[in-house]
Amino acid sequence: DSGVTQTPKHLITATGQRVTLRCSPRSGDLSVYWYQQSLDQGLQFLIQYYNGEERAKGNILERFSAQQFPDLHSELNLSSLELGDSALYFCASSDPGGPAGTQYFGPGTRLLVL
Amino acid sequence: AQKITQTQPGMFVQEKEAVTLDCTYDTSDPSYGLFWYKQPSSGEMIFLIYQGSYDQQNATEGRYSLNFQKARKSANLVISASQLGDSAMYFCAMREGRYGGSQGNLIFGKGTKLSVKP
Repeated sequence: DSGVTQTPKHLITATGQRVTLRCSPRSGDLSVYWYQQSLDQGLQFLIQYYNGEERAKGNILERFSAQQFPDLHSELNLSSLELGDSALYFCASSDPGGPAGTQYFGPGTRLLVL
Repeated sequence: AQKITQTQPGMFVQEKEAVTLDCTYDTSDPSYGLFWYKQPSSGEMIFLIYQGSYDQQNATEGRYSLNFQKARKSANLVISASQLGDSAMYFCAMREGRYGGSQGNLIFGKGTKLSVKP
């Protein structure tokens, strides 16, 4: 158990719909990262938040948005869903101290868009 | 341009033997971190081992060791005494980011599927 929690574990929805994925980082971790894992694209970085502020953006579509709340949990919002958005979405968190900054991953949310 | 290359899509190893999973990387940043993660069929991503670019010694964590050859830009994972539970996908990742240090995002390779035979 990494200490990172994600809900829901599974999500089935239809094209055009909007969903929200939730992540709670490990206690004390200030950074939250979102990644998407799909068969064709592999594991891709979407966006990073650090202590409530957006820190870095990767291959995140304009239809997707995220935020990190004062209690440090984060939400990833996916809207106008398309079939190609079906993927495993991971949240990870890291400790701000120390040189490694190892990212610990949550169990993921498996999204299926029908 | 792909920055992490894992050239072995799949590998087999006999139980109790050692196996090396290859990873090469490309970066112009003198400060970076290299990670290996394990993804069993259940889907979770499990951190295995970390190597910093300035670390003088190869990292070790139990049965896992990282063969870090900086000049060759390679960071191969060695698993000793393979167990059936080691069957999984293994991903090599590199951290980069304008903040350098410890807070950059990860770039992943495509992974190697390891199968351990009894």
